[in-house]
Amino acid sequence: AQSVTQLDSQVPVFEEAPVELRCNYSSSVSVYLFWYVQYPNQGLQLLLKYLSGSTLVKGINGFEAEFNKSQTSFHLRKPSVHISDTAEYFCAVCHRDDKIIFGKGTRLHILP
Amino acid sequence: DAGVTQSPTHLIKTRGQQVTLRCSPKSGHDTVSWYQQALGQGPQFIFQYYEEEERQRGNFPDRFSGHQFPNYSSELNVNALLLGDSALYLCASSLGTGDPPGELFFGEGSRLTVL
Repeated sequence: AQSVTQLDSQVPVFEEAPVELRCNYSSSVSVYLFWYVQYPNQGLQLLLKYLSGSTLVKGINGFEAEFNKSQTSFHLRKPSVHISDTAEYFCAVCHRDDKIIFGKGTRLHILP
Repeated sequence: DAGVTQSPTHLIKTRGQQVTLRCSPKSGHDTVSWYQQALGQGPQFIFQYYEEEERQRGNFPDRFSGHQFPNYSSELNVNALLLGDSALYLCASSLGTGDPPGELFFGEGSRLTVL
């Protein structure tokens, strides 16, 4: 069975500084990987996804993530954060057409 | 183009009662998934409906049941409510059930409080 571990429950970062949100997955088979964002009092929105091909995936709002099969990781990065990036970020995994499993989330706090 | 809509947005029930939550998928989508998001946690998969049938189910008791209608809208029913059922219930729609899976589009959720 697949599982997702988000190592940090909260990440504070100063505005315009870079940020990395960590995600590790556990699976014995090939998987698809996703990052979703949840703004306060809203549903989840897809940021980016890895299905196959290039291991560096670019998403919306300047975010990118790198799939590392040997380390079973899919960390999310942004070179310069803005106050509007304040949200909760969820890493998710699935195998083929199976259900999508979410991590517990990382709350990103942008400090002025 | 309307996105995923859920109703009601908030509701309060007491232990032992039953609740029905409703979801209309994004236009053109035929698959509906339901998730439970407890406070401070990630969404937990409850089940998925496609072609009016439950296609996949997560680790939830039989008190949780659902239905999908011919117009692809869906209902989530929870019987014999427990305090631990208090959560945000999210509906997500997608197109088809292929490999890879289609992008999930989420509604804003129904927040259930059980007293």
